[in-house]
Amino acid sequence: NAGVTQTPKFRVLKTGQSMTLLCAQDMNHEYMYWYRQDPGMGLRLIHYSVGEGTTAKGEVPDGYNVSRLKKQNFLLGLESAAPSQTSVYFCASTPVSGANVLTFGAGSRLTVL
Amino acid sequence: EDQVTQSPEALRLQEGESSSLNCSYTVSGLRGLFWYRQDPGKGPEFLFTLYSAGEEKEKERLKATLTKKESFLHITAPKPEDSATYLCAVPNNFNKFYFGSGTKLNVKP
Repeated sequence: NAGVTQTPKFRVLKTGQSMTLLCAQDMNHEYMYWYRQDPGMGLRLIHYSVGEGTTAKGEVPDGYNVSRLKKQNFLLGLESAAPSQTSVYFCASTPVSGANVLTFGAGSRLTVL
Repeated sequence: EDQVTQSPEALRLQEGESSSLNCSYTVSGLRGLFWYRQDPGKGPEFLFTLYSAGEEKEKERLKATLTKKESFLHITAPKPEDSATYLCAVPNNFNKFYFGSGTKLNVKP
């Protein structure tokens, strides 16, 4: 049982390049989230989804887009990367009901030069 | 404004020296408070959920407590393997989770 899988684990981009981070979960969870983690700032919510075909903005959505075409996948896109987007990105998921425990992926470290 | 604040930012303890971490919150429609442990280079791992004031949960050397405005994570006789960053999170009634910035715990042998 894989849980939450993020790809890629590491990526280096040049300013202005685009890329997509993929999050896949095999737990049939309805809710999925993308967070970024920066030193001293904890986890900040970028975008989230409450079900297939839905997306919503979090605390820091600017410069990012997301899509949830399939229930098990949540994609985070950077159309034109900026150095300020250098961070570690975490995907998480949780079922609709129950204890609402977030299950996290291992993270994707992105560096924008 | 929904907010979660943790203190201290960092804590250095000697092995066996007990202490407590704090998490205070102002989140509308509280639906529980969650504690996570995060090791370097990994995603956070779930520790505890607390739902109502007065509730306590224990796991090995860790005990979490909850009041109406804050939670404490008590660490009794810590060992070096307890070194990690401890995060607390609170979901609002739209299932948006707000995280504190974490407490980085370092336990020296």
